[in-house]
Amino acid sequence: GENVEQHPSTLSVQEGDSAVIKCTYSDSASNYFPWYKQELGKRPQLIIDIRSNVGEKKDQRIAVTLNKTAKHFSLHITETQPEDSAVYFCAAKGYGGATNKLIFGTGTLLAVQP
Amino acid sequence: GAVVSQHPSWVICKSGTSVKIECRSLDFQATTMFWYRQFPKQSLMLMATSNEGSKATYEQGVEKDKFLINHASLTLSTLTVTSAHPEDSSFYICSASVGQGTLNTEAFFGQGTRLTVV
Repeated sequence: GENVEQHPSTLSVQEGDSAVIKCTYSDSASNYFPWYKQELGKRPQLIIDIRSNVGEKKDQRIAVTLNKTAKHFSLHITETQPEDSAVYFCAAKGYGGATNKLIFGTGTLLAVQP
Repeated sequence: GAVVSQHPSWVICKSGTSVKIECRSLDFQATTMFWYRQFPKQSLMLMATSNEGSKATYEQGVEKDKFLINHASLTLSTLTVTSAHPEDSSFYICSASVGQGTLNTEAFFGQGTRLTVV
């Protein structure tokens, strides 16, 4: 089955700096890669997602890149703000059968220092 | 976006009792729902896939007789933690996606249930 690894586990940046979180996945059948932000005790919130037919997607300060050959995808947050502080999870999902499950990475605790 | 409602949001129960958690899709039909468990400072771990009208599919290491899943309608899946013990204390969360077919779509999550077994 799918296995998703995420690095780093913790990340501290100064306000205004950029933050990058990286993930790798194992199942080449995966074709959907969302990123979630989770605040303590709350449900994960989708912040951006990318499908396997594109290599990059951007939404204001947030961007995601995907390298299907290497099975890597990354989250980039620019001009970080204190309210960006949270736990971020990457995930991967395929289509159909055993791959139609959203598997999460291990999470990154992002702390943005004012 | 679509709305998934989970109830209760928190529950405290005595060791040995059973607890039922409900997950409803409010404005769409969900033939498949997923149940996750999240321990403090850890990731969401998939427990099982709930299929409407058929048996749930459990992930390796998850006891199907302890975590009973029922998906009797297109808008409701339930997870029952039977004979709960303190080690079952966790954050349980369900999710569902809109539509089935060739395009993978966004997963919508319930608000989660904080279970504490004393």
